[in-house]
Amino acid sequence: KAGVTQTPRYLIKTRGQQVTLSCSPISGHRSVSWYQQTPGQGLQFLFEYFSETQRNKGNFPGRFSGRQFSNSRSEMNVSTLELGDSALYLCASSLDPGQVYEQYFGPGTRLTVT
Amino acid sequence: GENVEQHPSTLSVQEGDSAVIKCTYSDSASNYFPWYKQELGKGPQLIIDIRSNVGEKKDQRIAVTLNKTAKHFSLHITETQPEDSAVYFCAASPTGNTPLVFGKGTRLSVIA
Repeated sequence: KAGVTQTPRYLIKTRGQQVTLSCSPISGHRSVSWYQQTPGQGLQFLFEYFSETQRNKGNFPGRFSGRQFSNSRSEMNVSTLELGDSALYLCASSLDPGQVYEQYFGPGTRLTVT
Repeated sequence: GENVEQHPSTLSVQEGDSAVIKCTYSDSASNYFPWYKQELGKGPQLIIDIRSNVGEKKDQRIAVTLNKTAKHFSLHITETQPEDSAVYFCAASPTGNTPLVFGKGTRLSVIA
């Protein structure tokens, strides 16, 4: 069974631009979560989607947004990029929320903002 | 909200020795505690997890213990090998419906 896939793997953007990252969950998984990983802050939760609806949202500004499609694939968007947005963005999928669940991570998208 | 503390931040062991990483959490409602291994250039990989109704779980050379009274849980790796070198993260879920809260990570180096 294929794992979580994320595209692109690497991205370089300029301050003020916007970016869209994509995540395809493990087949059969319907919940997708996004995390930001930085050396200083570690892994921080951005948001979670299930059935095309945002279930949970972390403490990030409104410049960070996401969505989920009917096939469970998800995208996240960051507008008006800042230098501090440089990070590894990780997507994780799980079967279903509502119970204690296992999350499986993709390889991440390395975003560099210059 | 939940807060997870992880120690040590770095750990070096000789090949064949054991390694222990400890985490404490603050929210007594947390009931799910996974451990992830992250190698360079890769995403975190789930290696073992434990739920609040279990005190210990083993999978070959790795084991996790949970003390709900003291609100801490630990990862034990026995007979360490060079390929165990990676960053290890603990996490806690306040409830089954809320996201994982991660520790800051432990960089484990196994010296051959």
